[in-house]
Amino acid sequence: EIVLTQSPATLSLSPGERATLSCRASQSVSSYLAWYQQKPGQAPRLLIYDASNRATGIPARFSGSGSGTDFTLTISSLEPEDFAVYYCQQRSNWPPDSTFGQGTKVEIK
Amino acid sequence: QLQLQESGPGLVKPSETLSLTCTVSGGSISSSSYYWGWIRQPPGKGLEWIGSIYYSGSTYYNPSLKSRVTISVDTSKNQFSLKLSSVTAADTAVYYCARPLNYYDSSGPFDIWGQGTMVTVSS
Repeated sequence: EIVLTQSPATLSLSPGERATLSCRASQSVSSYLAWYQQKPGQAPRLLIYDASNRATGIPARFSGSGSGTDFTLTISSLEPEDFAVYYCQQRSNWPPDSTFGQGTKVEIK
Repeated sequence: QLQLQESGPGLVKPSETLSLTCTVSGGSISSSSYYWGWIRQPPGKGLEWIGSIYYSGSTYYNPSLKSRVTISVDTSKNQFSLKLSSVTAADTAVYYCARPLNYYDSSGPFDIWGQGTMVTVSS
């Protein structure tokens, strides 16, 4: 099983600041890495897929980078609605499998 | 606009079988050639992919749950279902149904999600 380790567990920042979230895989996942945002009581929302592609309707302040085992989600300037928990997810097409990271909480400082 | 809605009992006894259904509206399961998936999230914890099914019935499961999971599809009702047997308190979670972004991906990424349904395992 591929293990995804996210860091930090919690990120305390102020609106307008830049957020940098990390996701490290225990073995290469190529570019099959996605990022989700989840707010309390809501389903996750897909932000980034295939490491660097923004999903439909996602603001340009969200960007993803990386390949292999090290990935980064960057929020260039935090808006009040961006304070949430963020998860990374890897997938393999054969055999089909998927794991998620444990999450990074971005909280208001 | 495609929408997914989970339904089923909110309370299941230990050792019994958890059964949930996901109803798809705004589109047809059989005509869209997508996989359809189940993901769960224990209270205060992260997400876990349970498995996915193709409209034709082909299934893929998380290896850690494979011995207890069955996912099926009923195209006539535009629904797919999850059964998880021999449940314990560790299976207490919010269960989501979801559809992947691309028709050829079975295990994600998922861009359309149901609202989720809480299932508690307790006697």
